[in-house]
Amino acid sequence: AQSVTQLGSHVSVSEGALVLLRCNYSSSVPPYLFWYVQYPNQGLQLLLKYTTGATLVKGINGFEAEFKKSETSFHLTKPSAHMSDAAEYFCAVSFGGYQKVTFGIGTKLQVIP
Amino acid sequence: DAGVIQSPRHEVTEMGQEVTLRCKPISGHNSLFWYRQTMMRGLELLIYFNNNVPIDDSGMPEDRFSAKMPNASFSTLKIQPSEPRDSAVYFCASTETGFTEAFFGQGTRLTVV
Repeated sequence: AQSVTQLGSHVSVSEGALVLLRCNYSSSVPPYLFWYVQYPNQGLQLLLKYTTGATLVKGINGFEAEFKKSETSFHLTKPSAHMSDAAEYFCAVSFGGYQKVTFGIGTKLQVIP
Repeated sequence: DAGVIQSPRHEVTEMGQEVTLRCKPISGHNSLFWYRQTMMRGLELLIYFNNNVPIDDSGMPEDRFSAKMPNASFSTLKIQPSEPRDSAVYFCASTETGFTEAFFGQGTRLTVV
C-alpha cells in the first residue's frame, strides 16, 4: 500500500532562512507526488506536483521540490522564508491511473520575525 | 469557475441527530473525494467516486456514515446518528479525467455536542 511520511509535525524558521520540509513515500510503482498548503480555516491548495519528466519541479510562491527515486523522497524547499509562508503543508502521493490520493500527516511551518 | 462548493461551512448539532454535508464539484470533473481532517488523525480519505459511482469506501468509519452522488454536480455525506467523535472538518475535492491534482472546497466544520 502507498504511504507518505512527513518528518516533523512542526518546523520553525527565521524570516529569510531556508525552508526545508521533508517527505518520504513508499511505493512499488512510479508515484505522482504533490505538495499542498493549507492556511487557517481554508481548504488545501496545490503548491506543486511531480508526475513525469523533470525531477525538479517549481511551484507557486517560490517553492520547489525534487523527486529522488533512489531516496523515495520529495522534499519541499524555499530559499528564503516569508511571514506569509506560515501555514500547514501536506505531502501527498497517488499512482497514475488510480486517483486515490494519500496525504501525509502535515507539517506546520512557523516563520519567526 | 467558482471552484468546489461545500455547504454548510459550519454545522453544530446535538449527539444523535442526522447531519448532511453537501458538495458541488467543479463542472467537468469526473472524480469526487470526501476527506475528514482531525488533529489526531490528519487528513483521511473517506470515500471516492468516479463518474458518480463509489469506487473506494474503505475509509468510511462505520455504518453511521453514508455518501451519495446522484449526479455529476452534487454529492452528500450523511452521518446518522452523529456522535461527538465525529467532530472534524470535512473536505470535498474533485479532479478531472487524467488526474493531476485535486481541487478542494473550503470545508465544513462539524461540531457534535
